[in-house]
Amino acid sequence: DAGVTQSPTHLIKTRGQHVTLRCSPISGHKSVSWYQQVLGQGPQFIFQYYEKEERGRGNFPDRFSARQFPNYSSELNVNALLLGDSALYLCASSAGTFAKQYFGPGTRLTVT
Amino acid sequence: SQQGEEDPQALSIQEGENATMNCSYKTSINNLQWYRQNSGRGLVHLILIRSNEREKHSGRLRVTLDTSKKSSSLLITASRAADTASYFCATRMEYGNKLVFGAGTILRVKS
Repeated sequence: DAGVTQSPTHLIKTRGQHVTLRCSPISGHKSVSWYQQVLGQGPQFIFQYYEKEERGRGNFPDRFSARQFPNYSSELNVNALLLGDSALYLCASSAGTFAKQYFGPGTRLTVT
Repeated sequence: SQQGEEDPQALSIQEGENATMNCSYKTSINNLQWYRQNSGRGLVHLILIRSNEREKHSGRLRVTLDTSKKSSSLLITASRAADTASYFCATRMEYGNKLVFGAGTILRVKS
């Protein structure tokens, strides 16, 4: 079975722009979580979605938003990009809200 | 803010030696998990220990959990060059559905 996939792999954006990151969960998994990992730090929780509903939100500004589609894939949107948004964005899928999470390879976002 | 704090921040050992990493956390947890990350890419789940468990083994990995001290340790025995990676502990709270990660330990195994 395919693991969690994320696109794109790398992305370079300019301050003030908008970005959309995509995640496809493992087949049969209904929950997707998003994490931001700044260089040299551990991942920080951004959102969790289950059955298309938001089930958790981390301490991130409203510039960050996400949604989950009927096929359980998910998008993370970030508006008005700041230099500090440069990070590796990780998506994790799980069978349920509290089940073990499987991580994708991440999208590396660079904001210049 | 991050819940867990790993110690040491970096560790360099020779192949065949054992590596021990420690993690401390602040609040009550449902479980604690250890992950490995190679070269800043995706995280690989290593082992999960529940709050009512004290020790768990998986291959060359041994994890202990002391809820009274709010700490955990990960022991990798007979290390290999391929174990070179960053290791993170992550806690799931008693109530809530997110994982809270520490800052990680960078392990380098020299051949």
